[in-house]
Amino acid sequence: QSVLTQPPSASGTPGQRVTISCSGSSSNIGSNTVNWYKQLPGTAPKLLIYSNNHRPSGVPDRFSGSKSGTSASLAISGLQSEDEADYFCAAWDDSLNGLFGGGTKLTVL
Amino acid sequence: QVQLVESGGGLVKPGGSLRLSCAASGFTFSDFYMTWIRQAPGKGLEWVSHITYSGSTVYYADSVKGRFTISRDNAKNSLYLQMNSLRAEDTAVYYCARQMGEVPSATPPADWYFDLWGRGTLVTVSS
Repeated sequence: QSVLTQPPSASGTPGQRVTISCSGSSSNIGSNTVNWYKQLPGTAPKLLIYSNNHRPSGVPDRFSGSKSGTSASLAISGLQSEDEADYFCAAWDDSLNGLFGGGTKLTVL
Repeated sequence: QVQLVESGGGLVKPGGSLRLSCAASGFTFSDFYMTWIRQAPGKGLEWVSHITYSGSTVYYADSVKGRFTISRDNAKNSLYLQMNSLRAEDTAVYYCARQMGEVPSATPPADWYFDLWGRGTLVTVSS
């Protein structure tokens, strides 16, 4: 069981806005920054958001991240078919452990 | 070309050993912390271990502490993971990743993220 809690699934129709939540505690999300990864089947994860709300070069501005207290969210606006993937949140925990969320499978209906 | 390429995975019996390697190219390897992350079949990501610039300090997940050893050779631009006393639950794709952010950090909030990943190497522990 992951210490960072994500919903196992999410869905939306093309053009819609979808959010994925990530809940932690004071020793991880509450103390450190959150990042998000997108993973397509059979491929390595790709960095989507770092330091809570920063996008690496090449990531569309349809993707945004936010953090409040011990929770974080990934928002995807203007949903597209290529957004269908698994999404993982991650944060360092002050107990000297790196933590990932269990992952959310996003389906574009 | 900036890339990470893992090798060394395969089938091993429970209790056996395996050494994974990760060859880095296209960037100054010694300027970065490096990390191993694994993913069991159909499961999520799990941080395994990371190592500081020179290799002087290492950190491990509780699930592998005492069994796995991370190391690096900056002259060869290579990262390693020596895995001993392997168990069925160690079966996973093992990814090498370039880490951004120095953790643990004396100045929170700490950044900890991975901007470059290898394609992974599959380790299967089975009799």
